[in-house]
Amino acid sequence: KAGVTQTPRYLIKTRGQQVTLSCSPISGHRSVSWYQQTPGQGLQFLFEYFSETQRNKGNFPGRFSGRQFSNSRSEMNVSTLELGDSALYLCASSLGGNSDTQYFGPGTRLTVL
Amino acid sequence: KNEVEQSPQNLTAQEGEFITINCSYSVGISALHWLQQHPGGGIVSLFMLSSGKKKHGRLIATINIQEKHSSLHITASHPRDSAVYICAVSSTGNQFYFGTGTSLTVIP
Repeated sequence: KAGVTQTPRYLIKTRGQQVTLSCSPISGHRSVSWYQQTPGQGLQFLFEYFSETQRNKGNFPGRFSGRQFSNSRSEMNVSTLELGDSALYLCASSLGGNSDTQYFGPGTRLTVL
Repeated sequence: KNEVEQSPQNLTAQEGEFITINCSYSVGISALHWLQQHPGGGIVSLFMLSSGKKKHGRLIATINIQEKHSSLHITASHPRDSAVYICAVSSTGNQFYFGTGTSLTVIP
């Protein structure tokens, strides 16, 4: 089976812009979770989608949003980018959710200038 | 306040040594995960535990639910084990919390 893929791998944006990141899960996985990794805060949970519904959400402002399509592919959107949004954004897919084994994608490295 | 605490933060070992990384958590959990991250960012799930002990090759993970503590052991460590090891928990409140990671370097 193909692994989790994320596009794009690298992205450079300026403050105030918005960005959309994409995640394609392993075939058959219905849960997609998103995480942010920064040197200062480490890994933090953003949200989880299951069967097109947001099931869980971490402690992030409303500028961070996402959605999941019927084929389980997921997108994450960040609006009004801030310098502090520069991070590695990882998605992970699983069969049933956070209590199942997570399969991580390679990540999207976002730099906000 | 960190829901997941890991120790040590950094660890250097000689090839062949037995290694232990510890993880304590303060929330109710449905599962505990041990993850491995290599330079460049890729994360691999090593174990998912809700009780007892699991073994995979030279890696062993244990969890004590009453004490809210888990350990990851690496037997006969090898330079290719050099990576960051991260403990994470799926909480009963449907959140996912990460430890800050343990950076392991195994010297030949």
